[in-house]
Amino acid sequence: DGGITQSPKYLFRKEGQNVTLSCEQNLNHDAMYWYRQDPGQGLRLIYYSQIVNDFQKGDIAEGYSVSREKKESFPLTVTSAQKNPTAFYLCASSAGTASSYEQYFGPGTRLTVT
Amino acid sequence: AQTVTQSQPEMSVQEAETVTLSCTYDTSENNYYLFWYKQPPSRQMILVIRQEAYKQQNATENRFSVNFQKAAKSFSLKISDSQLGDTAMYFCAFPRSNFNKFYFGSGTKLNVKP
Repeated sequence: DGGITQSPKYLFRKEGQNVTLSCEQNLNHDAMYWYRQDPGQGLRLIYYSQIVNDFQKGDIAEGYSVSREKKESFPLTVTSAQKNPTAFYLCASSAGTASSYEQYFGPGTRLTVT
Repeated sequence: AQTVTQSQPEMSVQEAETVTLSCTYDTSENNYYLFWYKQPPSRQMILVIRQEAYKQQNATENRFSVNFQKAAKSFSLKISDSQLGDTAMYFCAFPRSNFNKFYFGSGTKLNVKP
């Protein structure tokens, strides 16, 4: 079955540590996205990538970094510079970057930093 | 500035009844797309319905339909014959024209009561 996988489902880290969230898709999609979801708020865009080896900052990129070395993979690193990293993180992909394309989402990773 | 607004944080409906969720948006574009996504307690984001702005006909998917008022920039979701499985957060989403970056509303939590 085609889809998007995110691992792990729950992640716990100590403050000051970097942590990397995994996102893999087998939909052969060119575009991939990372969103952050906080209670009472909609999803906010962290980073996005149109093609391999290229990515751009979204609306809340500070304290995060990404890479896109393979078409199917778009890992997100939450660095110690992110002031409030505890949140639910969603990865998405779409077949293209035209606004007609829906985005497909992974199951998400709940990150808790203490 | 808020681009997508959902003014109903939470709503309840009795099973088998009809409920309408509201969404307004702001754009200067003429051709665009609008989406409704559902996020059940599993937190998996699922596409419910999509509307193309240049189409006058409102989109319909089984029990889900939209009331699209382009001039008013309104995009409401109507759920007919509500079922317990419709209990979820519902997000209105508007993709920006460049790179298909989505703006999401803050969501409406829908509770379907037996």
